[in-house]
Amino acid sequence: EVQLLESGGGLVQPGGSLRLSCAASGFTFSSYGMHWVRQAPGKGLEWVSGISGSGTSAYYADSVKGRFAISRDNSKNTLYLQLNSLRAEDTAVFYCAKTLKPCSGSNCYMRSGLDVWGQGTTVTVSS
Amino acid sequence: QSALTQPASVSGSPGQSITISCTGTSSDVGGYNYVSWYQHHPGKAPKFIMYEVNNRPSGVPDRFSGSKSGNTASLTISGLQSEDEADYYCSSYTDRGASYVFGTGTKVTVL
Repeated sequence: EVQLLESGGGLVQPGGSLRLSCAASGFTFSSYGMHWVRQAPGKGLEWVSGISGSGTSAYYADSVKGRFAISRDNSKNTLYLQLNSLRAEDTAVFYCAKTLKPCSGSNCYMRSGLDVWGQGTTVTVSS
Repeated sequence: QSALTQPASVSGSPGQSITISCTGTSSDVGGYNYVSWYQHHPGKAPKFIMYEVNNRPSGVPDRFSGSKSGNTASLTISGLQSEDEADYYCSSYTDRGASYVFGTGTKVTVL
């Protein structure tokens, strides 16, 4: 069974940092692009970042560019999101999600639906 | 990366059909067939219910169907059931920064 399990959320002060993890199982992790999506309280889903299966290519939403960094360790089947310079508006549930189709081409992982999602981890930015 | 536009709410009685629209631009919905739809019950993980405009993943009932015309994609739920009550989001690839964009979300209420 394909599973994704996020961890690392918590309460952090404005300006602080946090690293989220997403442990994957049940599929060939390195063959699939992965994404982070968040949902702020009372708001809709917002795409945050995506990364290729190899980890050599990544894209970010304008709202987090320069502050967040996505990465992956294919030897550990784990996806990461480093959150720096956190703001109150970053308070949200963060989900990791797997792309539907394996791909190796340039940014093909940005064109795929997200077929499996984790349960989410909550990040609260407050003093 | 502006969000795609969806109606805030849509409602229908059990057994009826409803349609949710998702309006973008030629840079996203109109320019590519990479539109997906997700069903989200609060507190749970979003569920993938449609990809590449009109393709249903395995296990999704055929009551759900997708289409696209110009810059607007649509999700139709036929034979509405109580368990369909949830939030629905469209998404699309956008060539503005080779990015990914979600819709504003639609709350579906089964009367």
